[in-house]
Amino acid sequence: GESVGLHLPTLSVQEGDNSIINCAYSNSASDYFIWYKQESGKGPQFIIDIRSNMDKRQGQRVTVLLNKTVKHLSLQIAATQPGDSAVYFCAEIRGGSQGNLIFGKGTKLSVKP
Amino acid sequence: KAGVTQTPRYLIKTRGQQVTLSCSPISGHRSVSWYQQTPGQGLQFLFEYFSETQRNKGNFPGRFSGRQFSNSRSEMNVSTLELGDSALYLCASSLGGTGFYEQYFGPGTRLTVT
Repeated sequence: GESVGLHLPTLSVQEGDNSIINCAYSNSASDYFIWYKQESGKGPQFIIDIRSNMDKRQGQRVTVLLNKTVKHLSLQIAATQPGDSAVYFCAEIRGGSQGNLIFGKGTKLSVKP
Repeated sequence: KAGVTQTPRYLIKTRGQQVTLSCSPISGHRSVSWYQQTPGQGLQFLFEYFSETQRNKGNFPGRFSGRQFSNSRSEMNVSTLELGDSALYLCASSLGGTGFYEQYFGPGTRLTVT
């Protein structure tokens, strides 16, 4: 079965609110975790990544938090915009096999105007 | 800089046939990975090529194969197609080498097997 999973399949937020998308993983040996955004008809787009030796990393309007104790990863999107509507995937890389991403099922984020 | 391109974008095949999909990576990228995306299984890793050699392989049957050319372009082939092979096939390119390099995905090839 999937070792990288998501707590919620869908998430609906109001424009301007903050969004939090969660992800659980089971392999403590994973080196990297990445969040991808996939819009309809497009391939996944890299958002942000975090190494396993970090707890938090910030990008533009996005923050990724890693809690290794409970094997949990989250993506926070500040001031969510309609353009943020998409499916979000977390992915992990294990054992240095950087070409092999293990993806979660995905969370569909819908932003209400 | 041009992004990752995949051809064809859409394909309809019949069970038992074979199919070849093509991926042109971003210029300078030496690693190409292939993924299968279905509603039921999500995104699953097929294989990765780096400098014309298969570096990693996922848990797919031998009907799925690939190769990479000296210009880093890659092809994947699926023989004896089954209905369950209907999916979006994505390729991603990266600089490769050791460590983590951001993967850039193409738009995918939508394969329908009837």
